[in-house]
Amino acid sequence: QKEVEQDPGPLSVPEGAIVSLNCTYSNSAFQYFMWYRQYSRKGPELLMYTYSSGNKEDGRFTAQVDKSSKYISLFIRDSQPSDSATYLCANTGGFKTIFGAGTRLFVKA
Amino acid sequence: NAGVTQTPKFQVLKTGQSMTLQCAQDMNHNSMYWYRQDPGMGLRLIYYSASEGTTDKGEVPNGYNVSRLNKREFSLRLESAAPSQTSVYFCASSERSDYGYTFGSGTRLTVV
Repeated sequence: QKEVEQDPGPLSVPEGAIVSLNCTYSNSAFQYFMWYRQYSRKGPELLMYTYSSGNKEDGRFTAQVDKSSKYISLFIRDSQPSDSATYLCANTGGFKTIFGAGTRLFVKA
Repeated sequence: NAGVTQTPKFQVLKTGQSMTLQCAQDMNHNSMYWYRQDPGMGLRLIYYSASEGTTDKGEVPNGYNVSRLNKREFSLRLESAAPSQTSVYFCASSERSDYGYTFGSGTRLTVV
């Protein structure tokens, strides 16, 4: 079992849809959770990080952590074609960060 | 503000050749990292440097060496390249790893 697992997709949605991206993780000791966005042939870009459980909102993006089920979610409201990218979740403890393999998202105009 | 700069962007090597990937950051971050990204496997840590003067192995260090030249620069060296090292290599830096990384744009390496 991978330490952080993501559905690879691709996930295709129409413009304006609400997108839900999900990960599961296995290491309960790691308390920080991140979401990165990676455009084709570019480096990952940090979108959000959260500590422990709960929600965090930044514009159209909401990150949610449910430690009881070891589940991480990223919600994108009013999705735009510019949101088309690969989304990586990550789980961090100290200098060790475990990344998911990423979910490819396509938002159709 | 350049962030994290990696050179070269592309490289083709023959098996057994050596090369050094360069990385520099201008954000005054203490920690720097080298990752490789392979399809379906996500990002895997090769080496990291928690602060100037220190380096430590990550998940996949075999076949690589690193040098933290100063606070800004962290290089990755392949002494004898193998086809299994064909990958996209990313350098990253952070002030505190818990708050996430700033990544460079990557080096696409092909070993034939």
